Amino acid sequence: LAKTTQPISMDSYEGQEVNITCSHNNIATNDYITWYQQFPSQGPRFIIQGYKTKVTNEVASLFIPADRKSSTLSLPRVSLSDTAVYYCLVGDEGGNNRKLIWGLGTSLAVNP
Amino acid sequence: KAGVTQTPRYLIKTRGQQVTLSCSPISGHRSVSWYQQTPGQGLQFLFEYFSETQRNKGNFPGRFSGRQFSNSRSEMNVSTLELGDSALYLCASSKLDSNYGYTFGSGTRLTVV
Repeated sequence: LAKTTQPISMDSYEGQEVNITCSHNNIATNDYITWYQQFPSQGPRFIIQGYKTKVTNEVASLFIPADRKSSTLSLPRVSLSDTAVYYCLVGDEGGNNRKLIWGLGTSLAVNP
Repeated sequence: KAGVTQTPRYLIKTRGQQVTLSCSPISGHRSVSWYQQTPGQGLQFLFEYFSETQRNKGNFPGRFSGRQFSNSRSEMNVSTLELGDSALYLCASSKLDSNYGYTFGSGTRLTVV
């Protein structure tokens, strides 16, 4: 089963760029990498998804190297409202039973 | 456009009881997944349903079960509740035949006393 590894926590300040890296050594060929954001007592919210190279949307960028064994979520110019837990999701296939492996999440604290 | 709706929002049950949680996915979404979230374990995958069929199952005991109806609404049931079942139960739906790009509900907070 593919496992993901993320830093447990990170600290930053308003206006800085934050990069959170997720390791996923056993990623399958057809799997995508997806990042979610979660605030307390709410369900996770989709941020961005990618397969390789770089993906950018209005809130974040996702960098994926050629070997796809890791990915980096980049949040430009964070604000206090970006304080949340960020999850890296990578699919895993085992025959017809594809399990979803979530990282434990990275708790990001943005300070004034 | 309505989001994923989970009911009830909060629930308190006694050990040994059973509970049923409900999830209404976004209209048009045929895939529904359930997760258990606890502070120490993070998000743990319970099961996924697609077109009324359980397609994937996580490593939970048989006390945890689910089903999906023809309108894609889903329920999960936990029998013989234990204290350790206290958690936030999250439901997520997806339009595509895929496990990605999910929309989550706000969850049901279950407390077992």
